[in-house]
Amino acid sequence: ETGVTQTPRHLVMGMTNKKSLKCEQHLGHNAMYWYKQSAKKPLELMFVYNFKEQTENNSVPSRFSPECPNSSHLFLHLHTLQPEDSALYLCASSQDPGTGANVLTFGAGSRLTVL
Amino acid sequence: GQNIDQPTEMTATEGAIVQINCTYQTSGFNGLFWYQQHAGEAPTFLSYNVLDGLEEKGRFSSFLSRSKGYSYLLLKELQMKDSASYLCAVNGNNRKLIWGLGTSLAVNP
Repeated sequence: ETGVTQTPRHLVMGMTNKKSLKCEQHLGHNAMYWYKQSAKKPLELMFVYNFKEQTENNSVPSRFSPECPNSSHLFLHLHTLQPEDSALYLCASSQDPGTGANVLTFGAGSRLTVL
Repeated sequence: GQNIDQPTEMTATEGAIVQINCTYQTSGFNGLFWYQQHAGEAPTFLSYNVLDGLEEKGRFSSFLSRSKGYSYLLLKELQMKDSASYLCAVNGNNRKLIWGLGTSLAVNP
């Protein structure tokens, strides 16, 4: 496989469930990101990992817990979510996070619905 | 505050030319990106401008004026497959990306 792969593509969960989103990149990039995409809102950066170390947490509620075991894999663990957390969660990777020309390669996203 | 403005929706005809504008007010500027996102798919990189002027890539061109805080994406010889959302993003202070809401382009036959 090539590019950035996200699973599952669709997820429906209750507010008391615990689930995880998975992201894998086959590009040899050093940085990985979680973004939230909601209707009528700009893309919201959630977390950034650079060489497996978390370098950014954009005041994300603790019910979202990221994990980056290596530079190729990124997880987003979900628990006790709220209906307003329903959104498309996009994973991305990049080679040059410290530069201006930091091109992101995105996965197709995981569409999350919280009931 | 920091702000990026782009039109919400645009409609154009197959074979025509369309220009999608993006104006920005950010603290710091380290380049401007355009991404394309088809419904249900990943955003994909189209262009990056950091110097003033026009960058051409096949049917797509992107223009930047830093003094005016303005960019546009020009799509020529429109095809049905160009129907998508076009996202403008500025790399601002601390290399943080600030995103616009996106412009949904519908190309009609």
